[in-house]
Amino acid sequence: EVQLVESGGGSVQPGGSLRISCAASGFSFGDSWMHCVRQVPGKGLVWVSRISPDGTDTTYADSVKGRFTLSRDNAKNTLYLQMNSLRAEDTAVYYCAADIVPGPGIDYWGQGALVTVSS
Amino acid sequence: QTVVTQEPSLTVSPGGTVTLTCASSTGAVTTNNYPNWFQQKPGQPPRALIYGSSNKHSWTPARFSGSLLGGKAALTLSGAQPDDEADYYCLIYSGAWLFGGGTKLTVL
Repeated sequence: EVQLVESGGGSVQPGGSLRISCAASGFSFGDSWMHCVRQVPGKGLVWVSRISPDGTDTTYADSVKGRFTLSRDNAKNTLYLQMNSLRAEDTAVYYCAADIVPGPGIDYWGQGALVTVSS
Repeated sequence: QTVVTQEPSLTVSPGGTVTLTCASSTGAVTTNNYPNWFQQKPGQPPRALIYGSSNKHSWTPARFSGSLLGGKAALTLSGAQPDDEADYYCLIYSGAWLFGGGTKLTVL
């Protein structure tokens, strides 16, 4: 069974940093593209970032470029989202998601981690 | 910046058929945009329904189908059930991955 379990969400002041982890199991993590998607409660989904299976290729949405870093540790089957210079508008549920089935896209989602940026 | 547009809301009668669409501001949506469709119910993460325009996941109910229609990606629900009431999102690749704004589907 595919499982994606996020941890590390919480509250942080504007300008602060936070790191979300996503523990993956039930599939070949080291062979899969991984994505991060966020959602302000009550609003739509917003794609944030993706990372290649070997971690060498990352892409970011313009809204987070230069502030967020997506990385992975394939030995630990874990994805990381490092968020720096956080702003109030970064407040959202952050989902870890996996592209496992052949054919680009997103197939499996984690339960999400809430990040609140507020003074 | 590419904008992906979906109908904000649609209503379908139980047993009826409805088509949700996904348009790109930069032109026709094609197979090269790899359209994906997702269903999201309140308090839950999204669930994948369709990938590669028309491919179903093993868990996707047969009443859902994906296609390309008139330059847009389309999700058709045939034989709507009350449990299909949810938000539906498309995702396409256009230099980066982009979600549409979502369609709130009411079964009434």
